[in-house]
Amino acid sequence: AIRMTQSPSSFSASTGDRVTITCRASQGISSYLAWYQQKPGKAPKLLIYAASTLQSGVPSRFSGSGSGTDFTLTISCLQSEDFATYYCQQYYSYPPWTFGQGTKVEIK
Amino acid sequence: QVQLQESGPGLVKPSETLSLTCAVSGYSISSGYYWGWIRQPPGKGLEWIGSIYHSGSTYYNPSLKSRVTISVDTSKNQFSLKLSSVTAADTAVYYCARHGVQLWLGYFDYWGQGTLVTVSS
Repeated sequence: AIRMTQSPSSFSASTGDRVTITCRASQGISSYLAWYQQKPGKAPKLLIYAASTLQSGVPSRFSGSGSGTDFTLTISCLQSEDFATYYCQQYYSYPPWTFGQGTKVEIK
Repeated sequence: QVQLQESGPGLVKPSETLSLTCAVSGYSISSGYYWGWIRQPPGKGLEWIGSIYHSGSTYYNPSLKSRVTISVDTSKNQFSLKLSSVTAADTAVYYCARHGVQLWLGYFDYWGQGTLVTVSS
């Protein structure tokens, strides 16, 4: 199975900050990577697929980049509603489809 | 709008079988897509369990394959999960979700709200 490793596991940031989360795959996955946002008690929400394509309705302050093994999710100007946990997921090799362990973005 | 809704017992005894159903509305399961189950232990990350196509074709996580059965009922537009011989380690929020058939569509675009299943005597 392809292992997805996110960094950092958690960090604190302030509203208005530019934040970047990294996801690394244990082997090349081309651009078959998705990012999800999860708030407490809620289901994950798809933000980005194909590494950089924004899902319909997702604010443009979210962006994704990368290919192969290294990927990033960037929030250009952090808003209060963005404090959440973010997961990456590979869909290049399956089964199993696999997720990163999550990155929690907390209020500083 | 595609909606998914999980249902089933919230408490299961150790060694018994966990059974959940996901009802789909706003989209016909027979029209395509894979329909999957994903779980999240309290305070932990996401683990894909398995997925099914309307034809009955399935994928299972190798780590759970021996205990998992996923089935589909197109007449009711729903699909189900059975996980046998459960232990406390199977306590989690269980989500149902949709993902594409083709390789490049393997992300989960619609999710149910999730249902907490606790394994305890």
